[in-house]
Parts: sequence; structure tokens; C-alpha cells
Amino acid sequence: ELKVEQNPLFLSMQEGKNYTIYCNYSTTSDRLYWYRQDPGKSLESLFVLLSNGAVKQEGRLMASLDTKARLSTLHITAAVHDLSATYFCAVVGDSNYQLIWGAGTKLIIKP
Amino acid sequence: DAGITQSPRHKVTETGTPVTLRCHQTENHRYMYWYRQDPGHGLRLIHYSYGVKDTDKGEVSDGYSVSRSKTEDFLLTLESATSSQTSVYFCAISGGRPGAEAFFGQGTRLTVV
Repeated sequence: ELKVEQNPLFLSMQEGKNYTIYCNYSTTSDRLYWYRQDPGKSLESLFVLLSNGAVKQEGRLMASLDTKARLSTLHITAAVHDLSATYFCAVVGDSNYQLIWGAGTKLIIKP
Repeated sequence: DAGITQSPRHKVTETGTPVTLRCHQTENHRYMYWYRQDPGHGLRLIHYSYGVKDTDKGEVSDGYSVSRSKTEDFLLTLESATSSQTSVYFCAISGGRPGAEAFFGQGTRLTVV
């Protein structure tokens, strides 16, 4: 059974700092997604990572995938308050019809 | 938002009553999903559909049923609502291959009293 673990689950940081969120998964999968959710809002797709070594960047966020280690990272560079949100990773499950979700990382960036 | 509408957006209902939530899409996507979101649990799949009248159970399907009579509509029914079903419910759609990128509706906040 595929399990997805994110850490940390909660992160409070200052603007201007760098930090990384980790997403580990337990069995092989060929796709990993990162989503963002603002409080009281829906989920928005950020990145799709399709292969080992894939790296995607948008603004101050960069996501990478290491399929051998079954690990994805979401790196935040020089954080700004607007990046405060909950970030989820999700991996395609065994059935291929569903995504298996991490519990989410609540990120608070203080001005 | 990618053409997904959930209704109602908020609902308060009494224990034991049936409740139906509706998800409507205008994207003609094949796959549709119902999730619930609870603090500390992330997103958990209730049911999903891979075509008209083709549905299957997710990890937390007990107490829920679904129907999909048209491509654009996916209904979630709580047969007899319980307080443990108080949650935020999200509908999602995806096209192309199974497990493709999912797009989410705005959510329905359901409170069972």
C-alpha cells in the first residue's frame, strides 16, 4: 500500500529565509504532484514531476524528484509572506486512478 | 478555476438525514473524484468515477454512495448523515490518462448536527 509522508507538517519562518519541505513515498510511482491550498480555499496545482531528476521552478518555489530515493522536495528561496499556505504532495497510487496525498505542510511566513 | 462547480457550498443538516452534494464540470473530463478534507488527515478519497455509470470506492467510502449518469455530473450522497461526516468535501476532475493532474472545485463545507 502506497503511503505518502510530508515533513515538516508545520513550518513558521521569517521572510527572506530559505527552507525545504520533504515528501517521501513508500512504493514506486511515475508521477508526483505539488499543490497549494490557501486557508478556506481550494487546491491549486503547482508542479507535476514525471521522471527521476525532474526539476521544476516557478518564482521562489522549486520542486525536484528523486525516484530512487522516493523523495521529492519543495524548496522555498527568500520566502515572502504571499507564499504562506498549506502545501500538499500527491503520488499516483497503485490503481493509477487515484492520487495518494500527504497530510500537508502548513507554512507561515512572517513579515 | 477549471470549470468545476460544487453545490451547495455550505450545508448544515441533522443526524440521520440524507444529503446529496453535486459536482458539475464543463471540461468534459473523464475522471471525477470526491474527497473529504479533515484536519490532520490531508485529503482522503471517498469515491471516484472513470466514466458514465462507472464508479469505484476509495479509502473512506463507508456511509457514502455516488452516481454519475452524465459526463458532467457526479453526485455524492450521504445516506444517513452522522457527525463524523462533518467535513469539507472537494470534487476533482482529471482528463487524459488515469492519475493525471487533478483540478479541484471550491469545496462544500458540511456540518452534521
